[in-house]
Amino acid sequence: AQRVTQPEKLLSVFKGAPVELKCNYSYSGSPELFWYVQYSRQRLQLLLRHISRESIKGFTADLNKGETSFHLKKPFAQEEDSAMYYCALRGNTGRRALTFGSGTRLQVQP
Amino acid sequence: GAGVSQSPRYKVAKRGQDVALRCDPISGHVSLFWYQQALGQGPEFLTYFQNEAQLDKSGLPSDRFFAERPEGSVSTLKIQRTQQEDSAVYLCASSLIGYRTVRHEQFFGPGTRLTVL
Repeated sequence: AQRVTQPEKLLSVFKGAPVELKCNYSYSGSPELFWYVQYSRQRLQLLLRHISRESIKGFTADLNKGETSFHLKKPFAQEEDSAMYYCALRGNTGRRALTFGSGTRLQVQP
Repeated sequence: GAGVSQSPRYKVAKRGQDVALRCDPISGHVSLFWYQQALGQGPEFLTYFQNEAQLDKSGLPSDRFFAERPEGSVSTLKIQRTQQEDSAVYLCASSLIGYRTVRHEQFFGPGTRLTVL
């Protein structure tokens, strides 16, 4: 069975502070990992995926297979980063559905 | 339209009533997914279509839930004899199947918020 765990419901930081949103997963093979973001009154949208190894809006995430983690990081938080963040996994067995974590609300205070 | 659309955006139903939720995927997208998102939780997979074929319905919670995509485009999720525990946001997502993983990105609709009284 595949599972995604986001241990923090809420993360509150001040503007300019570093941010780390935690994500751990369980999966027996080699999964694809994603971060999705939902800004207030907007739809869920893809932020980044581990395969692309890119930085989007200053966010990065590294897949650590040893620790089965895919934490999302940003060195300097901005107020516009306030949103719900969901970590998601897709297995490599052909099933295309995503398995989501329960989400972390990031609040960036001025 | 540029994105996935869903209707209605809000639905209030009395317990025992049947409801139908519609999803219009992005034109040309082969794959279509339905997810259920309960309050305070992440989306949970319900069912998956490739064109008109329902290839995976392992996430449907009971036989009261039924989904179809008869012409491989618009999809309808039907819930019969709604119960209070069916109250959730129902999300639809579509993706374009390609040979490169980058084309497997799922684009989400705004969701339908169902409240069962």
